[in-house]
Amino acid sequence: ETGVTQTPRHLVMGMTNKKSLKCEQHLGHNAMYWYKQSAKKPLELMFVYSLEERVENNSVPSRFSPECPNSSHLFLHLHTLQPEDSALYLCASSPGRSSYNEQFFGPGTRLTVL
Amino acid sequence: GQQLNQSPQSMFIQEGEDVSMNCTSSSIFNTWLWYKQEPGEGPVLLIALYKAGELTSNGRLTAQFGITRKDSFLNISASIPSDVGIYFCAGQEETSGSRLTFGEGTQLTVNP
Repeated sequence: ETGVTQTPRHLVMGMTNKKSLKCEQHLGHNAMYWYKQSAKKPLELMFVYSLEERVENNSVPSRFSPECPNSSHLFLHLHTLQPEDSALYLCASSPGRSSYNEQFFGPGTRLTVL
Repeated sequence: GQQLNQSPQSMFIQEGEDVSMNCTSSSIFNTWLWYKQEPGEGPVLLIALYKAGELTSNGRLTAQFGITRKDSFLNISASIPSDVGIYFCAGQEETSGSRLTFGEGTQLTVNP
């Protein structure tokens, strides 16, 4: 149990669907992250939120829309995705301090876009 | 952008053998982290290193923060079947805030 939960664990959606991924951290952290993990590639950082403010957006297409209503919850809203968006989407949280800032990951959502 | 070179990409070993993997970077890092990921799960933090030269153990795992601050290694002693998984290194640069740069991972297979 890492203290970071994600739902759903698996999601299959069509290209015209709208869905949302949810992440919740129970660690009292101030920073939260979305990563994309595709086969044979390093983890790709998508978004970073610090104290509920988006501080980083790594040129992610607008069909991915993050939302951070408070420091414990993070959402990733999905719409009109493409098959190449199929991947494992990982959420992580960290204390948010510049030092001792280990990131703790959730179990991920396995997304398949048909 | 910054890249981490992690090697080897994969390892096939017999139970009981020791394992060593490493990461190198072209930039100086002030933090090195090692994670393990099992199928269908997210990465789990194994060891965190914060000082050049630091050597830290976690059970049969030992990791070191290189003196040059550009490399780190992870050793696993007396491997067992449950050590199977993908091991990732991650580094944090002084100027990157909380951003981590990840290696491509080392896939470890342990034969009983």
